[in-house]
Amino acid sequence: GAVVSQHPSWVICKSGTSVKIECRSLDFQATTMFWYRQFPKQSLMLMATSNEGSKATYEQGVEKDKFLINHASLTLSTLTVTSAHPEDSSFYICSAIQGNGYTFGSGTRLTVV
Amino acid sequence: AQSVSQHNHHVILSEAASLELGCNYSYGGTVNLFWYVQYPGQHLQLLLKYFSGDPLVKGIKGFEAEFIKSKFSFNLRKPSVQWSDTAEYFCAVNAPNDYKLSFGAGTTVTVRA
Repeated sequence: GAVVSQHPSWVICKSGTSVKIECRSLDFQATTMFWYRQFPKQSLMLMATSNEGSKATYEQGVEKDKFLINHASLTLSTLTVTSAHPEDSSFYICSAIQGNGYTFGSGTRLTVV
Repeated sequence: AQSVSQHNHHVILSEAASLELGCNYSYGGTVNLFWYVQYPGQHLQLLLKYFSGDPLVKGIKGFEAEFIKSKFSFNLRKPSVQWSDTAEYFCAVNAPNDYKLSFGAGTTVTVRA
């Protein structure tokens, strides 16, 4: 079946540094990918929609200059958290549309210290 | 925009007990409905989905859900749970012409052996 590979699975970084998270569709082409953020005991909140070859569409309240999304190919979307702060610590999940469904990455646990 | 409400935050039950997780959504138009499961340390997996047709949907691992349009509900059921059903369960919805998924807050299910 369709697989989305997300890396890294966890990362710890210092405040002020940037972190890049990768999301790859392994056996299909993903024109559209989604990036979610999940706080403990809360729902997945959609951050942005990533479209291959064009700018990402951000949800209201999400800082596009802080959460940089690049979807340069049909199999790779990246999320870069720039100038990370402790409040950016969270679980980030990507997903891709495949057929009439969605395939999810395994998520990235980001801890900013 | 759609919103999704899951009534139970944490459900604890014994093996062989029956499970029912509530899900209500708020959206006036036609919707697609999903239930996802997230086992510890794994990615979200689709349990079942409803697009149209028979409102009683059967999914994987013995799960089923019933769409009741008049109640805006899509409750998940399993007649007899197993220890391996311990996981986080998410209800999600989108409009047919919108790929964005809206998730409920999730329900943690703990099955005691």
